[in-house]
Amino acid sequence: EAQVTQNPRYLITVTGKKLTVTCSQNMNHEYMSWYRQDPGLGLRQIYYSMNVEVTDKGDVPEGYKVSRKEKRNFPLILESPSPNQTSLYFCASSSTGYNQPQHFGDGTRLSIL
Amino acid sequence: GDSVTQMEGPVTLSEEAFLTINCTYTATGYPSLFWYVQYPGEGLQLLLKATKADDKGSNKGFEATYRKETTSFHLEKGSVQVSDSAVYFCALRGNTNAGKSTFGDGTTLTVKP
Repeated sequence: EAQVTQNPRYLITVTGKKLTVTCSQNMNHEYMSWYRQDPGLGLRQIYYSMNVEVTDKGDVPEGYKVSRKEKRNFPLILESPSPNQTSLYFCASSSTGYNQPQHFGDGTRLSIL
Repeated sequence: GDSVTQMEGPVTLSEEAFLTINCTYTATGYPSLFWYVQYPGEGLQLLLKATKADDKGSNKGFEATYRKETTSFHLEKGSVQVSDSAVYFCALRGNTNAGKSTFGDGTTLTVKP
């Protein structure tokens, strides 16, 4: 089954404790992206990657890091999380091309205390 | 930069009512336009898309037409069902940078029996 898998689905942690949210896709997609969803703000793009070793900032990259060492994986790293990063996070992937729709994971709900 | 403006919600309708959710956009070049739907506790999934002016996307009774002259992509359905209750997102992906995606704030639809 074609899917985007995120882990963990839920995480409660404390300020300053480094965490990683993993994302993996099995569709051989070149493009992957991370978003955060906050009430009243829709989805905002954090980082995206057009291919292995190619990443770029989205609209809200501050406080986040990403890496793309393999085509299927695109982890999101919060090196020193803060309460304003409490949010619902989505990973997405697609084939190359601006006319291609994105496939989304089921989301990761992060709470930073 | 690119932007998407969606009709504010929430929207509450009775079953079999007509639905319109307005979406207008600002973008350079010739973007592709998408409607995604998010059911409770799930990620976004593609509802329909249109990739050039005057294209009509359709799926599951929903339709939207890419209007370049009014920079709009309004979502319509002739007769909604309780199962259509969800959050709907309008989004664009630009042809000048396929990596960037811009989403509207989302519109919550509740359909009552």
